[in-house]
Amino acid sequence: DVVMTQSPLSLPVTLGQPASISCRSSQSLVYSDGNTYLNWFQQRPGQSPRRLIYKVSNRDSGVPDRFSGSGSGTYFTLKISRVEAEDVAVYYCMQGTHWPHTFGQGTKLEIK
Amino acid sequence: EVQLVESGGGLVQPGESLRLSCAASGFSFSSFWMSWVRQAPGQGLEWVANINLGGNEKHYVDSVKGRFTISRDNARNSLYLQMNSLRGEDTAVYYCARDNGPTGWIVWGRGTQVTVSS
Repeated sequence: DVVMTQSPLSLPVTLGQPASISCRSSQSLVYSDGNTYLNWFQQRPGQSPRRLIYKVSNRDSGVPDRFSGSGSGTYFTLKISRVEAEDVAVYYCMQGTHWPHTFGQGTKLEIK
Repeated sequence: EVQLVESGGGLVQPGESLRLSCAASGFSFSSFWMSWVRQAPGQGLEWVANINLGGNEKHYVDSVKGRFTISRDNARNSLYLQMNSLRGEDTAVYYCARDNGPTGWIVWGRGTQVTVSS
């Protein structure tokens, strides 16, 4: 299985400051169709997961533009330009290129 | 409103069985692959199984192969997960989710708790 490794696992951030989460995959996530199926999910406390970004950098409907995704191959990043209180959550990267689809361990973002 | 509602969770002993259900509404259930995704206590997310539109193609994570069976009833807009020979490591919240293939899952239920303990 493809192993997804996130860092850091805990991320204390001051309100209004930027935040960055890294995600590495054990294999390239470029699929035979040319797409890279790296997706990001947010899980707020007590809630179900919610997809934020798909195919590396495409924001889902309703996701604030302070969230952005980038990367290629085996290295990817989720950035929040200015952290707000509602961003407190665990963030997971997930690959959909290889079966089975696998998640990273999660990064817990908290307010400092 | 697009909605998924799970039910059927509970406390069982190791080796016992449980059947989870997921009721879908607000979208054309028969037009989507569906998945079960679980989350062990304090842990991350793990895809468990998925099923195609007609129910004749199914995939499972290795750890549940031969013990879990996913199925669906399109006439009832319902998804199921039959879990046999349950183990402690199956303890988790089980989410029903609308499968969007390689881009993950967009619609999620609130989850149902399964606890396997003697």
